[in-house]
Amino acid sequence: KNQVEQSPQSLIILEGKNCTLQCNYTVSPFSNLRWYKQDTGRGPVSLTIMTFSENTKSNGRYTATLDADTKQSSLHITASQLSDSASYICVVSDRGSTLGRLYFGRGTQLTVWP
Amino acid sequence: EADIYQTPRYLVIGTGKKITLECSQTMGHDKMYWYQQDPGMELHLIHYSYGVNSTEKGDLSSESTVSRIRTEHFPLTLESARPSHTSQYLCASSDQGSAPYGYTFGSGTRLTVV
Repeated sequence: KNQVEQSPQSLIILEGKNCTLQCNYTVSPFSNLRWYKQDTGRGPVSLTIMTFSENTKSNGRYTATLDADTKQSSLHITASQLSDSASYICVVSDRGSTLGRLYFGRGTQLTVWP
Repeated sequence: EADIYQTPRYLVIGTGKKITLECSQTMGHDKMYWYQQDPGMELHLIHYSYGVNSTEKGDLSSESTVSRIRTEHFPLTLESARPSHTSQYLCASSDQGSAPYGYTFGSGTRLTVV
């Protein structure tokens, strides 16, 4: 069964600190992995997209890594800001359908305190 | 700036009422999707469309229906709303360029049925 598991479920950090969110997946055949940021009551916004051949990608203070062999990804946030408070969702796409089927994790709820 | 628009953002409606959630995109994307998301849970695909006059049911059974008469417009209708339909509904679209396909979400409609 294709699944995406994220940890931790929730995380509280102080402003200015770094943090790392984890994503493990069993989706096969793998196509790409995306990290989204979802503010409360809003739609997800794309942070990074990585294909099989990419093992790291950055977007400002966000850096995603991918290990396709172990089927793990991480999202590292540097020098956190209050505006980073949101849910971070890991999404994996398979190659098995023309729909480009997406499998969603439940997200990590990050809270940044001043 | 969002290129996919959902209205209304919030809707509180009585049981038994008919409602239509609107979704429009200005990117010319052929593929469009409707997802349902409950708090703290992953997104579930309820409907998708490959193009005009094409609609399919997703993984999560839903009593809603969709139509795709124009490329840019993908409305979702509930003929008789019930409290179990209370949820957030997210519309998305994807392009047909080279993989990984761009995937854009709207801001969502928070539906409450009382």
